[in-house]
Amino acid sequence: AQTVTQSQPEMSVQEAETVTLSCTYDTSESDYYLFWYKQPPSRQMILVIRQEAYKQQNATENRFSVNFQKAAKSFSLKISDSQLGDAAMYFCAYPQGGSEKLVFGKGTKLTVNP
Amino acid sequence: NAGVTQTPKFQVLKTGQSMTLQCAQDMNHEYMSWYRQDPGMGLRLIHYSVGAGITDQGEVPNGYNVSRSTTEDFPLRLLSAAPSQTSVYFCASSSYFLGDTQYFGPGTRLTVL
Repeated sequence: AQTVTQSQPEMSVQEAETVTLSCTYDTSESDYYLFWYKQPPSRQMILVIRQEAYKQQNATENRFSVNFQKAAKSFSLKISDSQLGDAAMYFCAYPQGGSEKLVFGKGTKLTVNP
Repeated sequence: NAGVTQTPKFQVLKTGQSMTLQCAQDMNHEYMSWYRQDPGMGLRLIHYSVGAGITDQGEVPNGYNVSRSTTEDFPLRLLSAAPSQTSVYFCASSSYFLGDTQYFGPGTRLTVL
């Protein structure tokens, strides 16, 4: 079975500092996408960033960037200049078997300390 | 453009009762799906649909039914509620293009007593 593993159940960071959330996945596909979703206390699932596996360049969205290591099947999320509004659960997700069926990791709860 | 809407936001049921969670999207998306979120488990796929009249099972389908008579609507039915179905339920939709963003509804918190 294809799996997504987030090894850090909880992380904390000081405001304005940088934090990296880890994600590893298991797949036999050669072309696929990877996603990071944010879930704030409001419960709404919000797409943070998306990476296409065939692209060498790491995706970036403002303060959010990824470190994608295809051979190692690693997809970490870096948040720079952390803000109080970044406090949330973060989920790594992968479409199963080249479909739209997302497989989610168990999440990392990020706390931002003022 | 409302995106993905879900009703109700909260629901309390007694064991054995049935109910339908409603989901609708106004983005003309082919793909729709239902997930449940339990503490420490992330989101798990219950059922999904790739278009009107086509549905299939996900990872945790037992105890749930779905149908898709229109592109816009994808209701989830609990046939006989059990305490194990206490969870937060999310509906999502996307175009049927690999890698497209899935848009999530606000969720329904269901408690089964």
